[in-house]
Amino acid sequence: SQQGEEDPQALSIQEGENATMNCSYKTSINNLQWYRQNSGRGLVHLILIRSNEREKHSGRLRVTLDTSKKSSSLLITASRAADTASYFCATPREINNDMRFGAGTRLTVKP
Amino acid sequence: GAGVSQSPRYKVAKRGQDVALRCDPISGHVSLFWYQQALGQGPEFLTYFQNEAQLDKSGLPSDRFFAERPEGSVSTLKIQRTQQEDSAVYLCASSLVGGQGAWDTQYFGPGTRLTVL
Repeated sequence: SQQGEEDPQALSIQEGENATMNCSYKTSINNLQWYRQNSGRGLVHLILIRSNEREKHSGRLRVTLDTSKKSSSLLITASRAADTASYFCATPREINNDMRFGAGTRLTVKP
Repeated sequence: GAGVSQSPRYKVAKRGQDVALRCDPISGHVSLFWYQQALGQGPEFLTYFQNEAQLDKSGLPSDRFFAERPEGSVSTLKIQRTQQEDSAVYLCASSLVGGQGAWDTQYFGPGTRLTVL
């Protein structure tokens, strides 16, 4: 079963605009991770935020985590056409460290 | 360095055929995971290996699914008597340590897209 839900399911923006995607999850977590998946390719790990962190940056990416609301957001600033992909949040299951994914947000950045 | 590789990248099978999907994890990675990703959905966990030991196969959807990692490196996911509902992308991931409380990053392969006609 899916652990979380991403919102929105699909997002279309112009190049240069910012894109914000949200994720909600159900159980307590140690960390939350965001992945990107380009069409026909595997998942690429973007960023990990730990449960005791509230915000984290990596290049044009900014991730926030609110454990009281069981939610996270991913902000991509100054988007590029190459950012077009599906974005997934995922949380590790403690027993195995396998990842539980949401259904993803499909981002389209128009040049 | 080399990442996780999977083969074949695409597989078309007739219903009832057996298929074998291969995963080559990153060298030295202890943990290996298989996931199934249906169209428009996120990946879902199938099974987990720590070295050659299959520690969790709770995600395998039926007894037609079988996975092995006999020498603790390459893994094969086998699906017997394929059904149309088995059509999906099968992703393999590896991590350096893994296991309970490890919290280390998983590296994913490109996946095998299986289509059952």
